[in-house]
Amino acid sequence: QVHLVQSGAEVKKPGASVKVSCQASGYTYTSYGISWVRQAPGRGPEWMGWISAFNGNTNYAHKLQGRVFMTTDTSTRTVYMELRSLRSDDTAVYYCARDSGNAVFDYWGQGSTVIVSS
Amino acid sequence: DIQMTQSPSSLSASVGDRVTITCRASQSISNYLNWYQQKSGKAPKLLIYAASSLQSGVPSRFSGSGSGTDFTLTISSLQPEDFATYYCQQSYFFGPGTKVDIK
Repeated sequence: QVHLVQSGAEVKKPGASVKVSCQASGYTYTSYGISWVRQAPGRGPEWMGWISAFNGNTNYAHKLQGRVFMTTDTSTRTVYMELRSLRSDDTAVYYCARDSGNAVFDYWGQGSTVIVSS
Repeated sequence: DIQMTQSPSSLSASVGDRVTITCRASQSISNYLNWYQQKSGKAPKLLIYAASSLQSGVPSRFSGSGSGTDFTLTISSLQPEDFATYYCQQSYFFGPGTKVDIK
């Protein structure tokens, strides 16, 4: 059974960084990429970027280039998403999702709330 | 960037109703269109991929159709557990969502 388990909620000050983890189980880890999707309060989902669990290749959303960084650790089957220079409008629930191909997100983590507030 | 629009933005319906939600892309996307259901406080759930393929475990009352720029999600007989927000998605772009609530 596929599971994606994310790290817990975070409260950060503007300008700080946050690193969210997503540990995968129940499938061949290196056969799928992982995308990160965030959702601000009352808003629709917003794709942030994708990482290959096979070789670590990444593709980031244009608006987040230079602030978002995704890494993978095959030994622990964990993907990390770091967002730097946090602003108040980065307050959102952050989800990881398995990409089964062609940006079809078939399994999702439970979400990690990140609050950015002074 | 491709823009995705959905209509209506919200609707009220009764259990047993047939519900149709429309998604339009700003340019042709072939059949690269997925539909998700999201309930309050939960992650989105994949319902339909490649415009018309039913994800494993999703009830058959859900169906999708369309290609090019115009797509439709249909719920043939609305059930109490179907009250939620529905999003279409093409590649890395999500639509604004359609909220389905109880009439």
